[in-house]
Amino acid sequence: KQEVTQIPAALSVPEGENLVLNCSFTDSAIYNLQWFRQDPGKGLTSLLLIQSSQREQTSGRLNASLDKSSGRSTLYIAASQPGDSATYLCAVVGYSGGGADGLTFGKGTHLIIQP
Amino acid sequence: NAGVTQTPKFRVLKTGQSMTLLCAQDMNHEYMYWYRQDPGMGLRLIHYSVGEGTTAKGEVPDGYNVSRLKKQNFLLGLESAAPSQTSVYFCASSKGYVFQPQHFGDGTRLSIL
Repeated sequence: KQEVTQIPAALSVPEGENLVLNCSFTDSAIYNLQWFRQDPGKGLTSLLLIQSSQREQTSGRLNASLDKSSGRSTLYIAASQPGDSATYLCAVVGYSGGGADGLTFGKGTHLIIQP
Repeated sequence: NAGVTQTPKFRVLKTGQSMTLLCAQDMNHEYMYWYRQDPGMGLRLIHYSVGEGTTAKGEVPDGYNVSRLKKQNFLLGLESAAPSQTSVYFCASSKGYVFQPQHFGDGTRLSIL
């Protein structure tokens, strides 16, 4: 069974710093990996989706990388801002003999950017 | 552009009562999903649908039923609510299953007493 782990569980950094969030998964048989952001009391917002054949995706100050063979992904946030404070979730779509599986989520990294 | 809308936002039920959670999307997406989010457990897939009139079980389907009579709506039913079903429920939709991101609603916070 696929398991997704996110480290650290919580992170607090001063505004302006560059930071890296980590995600690991146990089964490399994946179609894609997605990073989401969740604000308190809200749903999830998709940030980046990396297909299994890709190595990285970029959107503004965000860069996500994928190393499928080692089962790892990182989300890099440049020049962090207080508005980046949220919980960041990593999820993978795996596949088995019957086709695509559903999204398997990590438990998230709770990020606080100090003004 | 509303995206994914969930109704209601909050609800308190007594054990044994029934209720239906409604999810509506206006993006003409084929795929729709119901998740539950619990502290320490992360999000887990309950049921999903790959198109109008279809449903399939996810990771934690027991105690729930779903229906997709119209493409834009996905209903989640609890026939006899139990305290273990206290959770935050999220609906999501996507254009495709594998290569497109899922779009989430803001959730329904459900408490079973």
